[in-house]
Amino acid sequence: AQSVTQPDIHITVSEGASLELRCNYSYGATPYLFWYVQSPGQGLQLLLKYFSGDTLVQGIKGFEAEFKRSQSSFNLRKPSVHWSDAAEYFCAVGALTGGGNKLTFGTGTQLKVEL
Amino acid sequence: DGGITQSPKYLFRKEGQNVTLSCEQNLNHDAMYWYRQDPGQGLRLIYYSQIVNDFQKGDIAEGYSVSREKKESFPLTVTSAQKNPTAFYLCASKGQGVRTEAFFGQGTRLTVV
Repeated sequence: AQSVTQPDIHITVSEGASLELRCNYSYGATPYLFWYVQSPGQGLQLLLKYFSGDTLVQGIKGFEAEFKRSQSSFNLRKPSVHWSDAAEYFCAVGALTGGGNKLTFGTGTQLKVEL
Repeated sequence: DGGITQSPKYLFRKEGQNVTLSCEQNLNHDAMYWYRQDPGQGLRLIYYSQIVNDFQKGDIAEGYSVSREKKESFPLTVTSAQKNPTAFYLCASKGQGVRTEAFFGQGTRLTVV
C-alpha cells in the first residue's frame, strides 16, 4: 500500500526567505505525486503534479518540486516566500488499486510566515 | 462554472443521530472521494467511488455509509455508529486514470453537540 510522510509538522520562515517542504513517499510502482495547499476552513488547491518526464516540475504561485526516485522524495520549494503563502501544505501520491484510483495524503505541514 | 459543491458548510448533530453530507460535481468526473480531516492527521480516506453504483471502503470507513446513484452525486452519511464524528469533511472528484488531479469542495464542518 502507498503512503506519504511529511516529517515537518510546522515550519516558520521569514518573508522573502527560501522555503523547502519535505515529502517522502512509499509506493512499489511509478508514483503519481501532487502538492496541494489549504487555507483555513477551505478546500484544497492543487499547486503542482508529477506524472513522468522532467523531474523538476513548476506549479502555480512560484512553487516548484523535484522528484528524486533514489530518495523517494518529492520536496516542494519556493525561492522567496510571501506572507500570503502561510497555509497548510499536503503532499499526496496517486495509485491504481483493485478498487480504482486511490489518492493518499500526508499529514500536512503548517507554514507560518514571519513579517 | 464547473466545480464541486458541498453542503452544508456547517452541520450540527446530536449524539445518536445520522446525518448526510451532500457532494455534487459538474465536472463529469468518474471518480469521487470522501476524506475526513482532523488536526495533525492530514486527510484520511473514508470511501471512494470509480463508477455509478460502485464504491470502495477507504482507510476509516467504519461508522460511515455512501451511495453513488448518479455520476454527479456522492452523499456521505455519518451514522450513530461513528464514535467521534466531529471533524472537517472534504469531498473530491477526479477524472479517469491516475494521471489526473483531484478537485476538492470547500468542505463541511460537522460538530456533535
